[in-house]
Amino acid sequence: AQSVSQHNHHVILSEAASLELGCNYSYGGTVNLFWYVQYPGQHLQLLLKYFSGDPLVKGIKGFEAEFIKSKFSFNLRKPSVQWSDTAEYFCAVNAEGNNRLAFGKGNQVVVIP
Amino acid sequence: GAGVSQSPSNKVTEKGKDVELRCDPISGHTALYWYRQSLGQGLEFLIYFQGNSAPDKSGLPSDRFSAERTGGSVSTLTIQRTQQEDSAVYLCASSSRTSHTGELFFGEGSRLTVL
Repeated sequence: AQSVSQHNHHVILSEAASLELGCNYSYGGTVNLFWYVQYPGQHLQLLLKYFSGDPLVKGIKGFEAEFIKSKFSFNLRKPSVQWSDTAEYFCAVNAEGNNRLAFGKGNQVVVIP
Repeated sequence: GAGVSQSPSNKVTEKGKDVELRCDPISGHTALYWYRQSLGQGLEFLIYFQGNSAPDKSGLPSDRFSAERTGGSVSTLTIQRTQQEDSAVYLCASSSRTSHTGELFFGEGSRLTVL
């Protein structure tokens, strides 16, 4: 079964700082990769996803993620964060053709105005 | 409604009582999932329904937990003889079978507090 690791559970940043959240997974086959975001008081929603093609994926709100197959990683980045990016971010993985998603433990990101 | 609907949004119960949590998925979505979200623990998979196939129950933590899905739509998660460690937010999600992307649409969750 696939598993997902996220590090630095709590991240505190100032506005305009750059953000990078690490995500590593353990599964040797073809995978689909996702980042979900949960804003305070809201439900989880999809931020971006990777299935195939260009390993650099762009999502909503200026976020992007890069799939590096050799490193089993799918790190999330944003060059300049805003206060409204305060949220919890979850990386998720599923094996190709399998709808069951495995989630990481999440990164709680706080952006200070 | 257009999204996944869960009820109740909050439930406080006493240890030893049974609770039922309900999920109404997005219309037409044949896959339905239950996850549990505990503080600092991320999302823990509980159970997965896909159409008329046998559910994947491999994530249920004990035999006190069960779930059913009637008519391929609404699902109920039942926790019997609740314990304090069952306190968590229980999330339901649905997805379209035609999509192998695994993109899930989540409800707002049911927050369970066991006293």
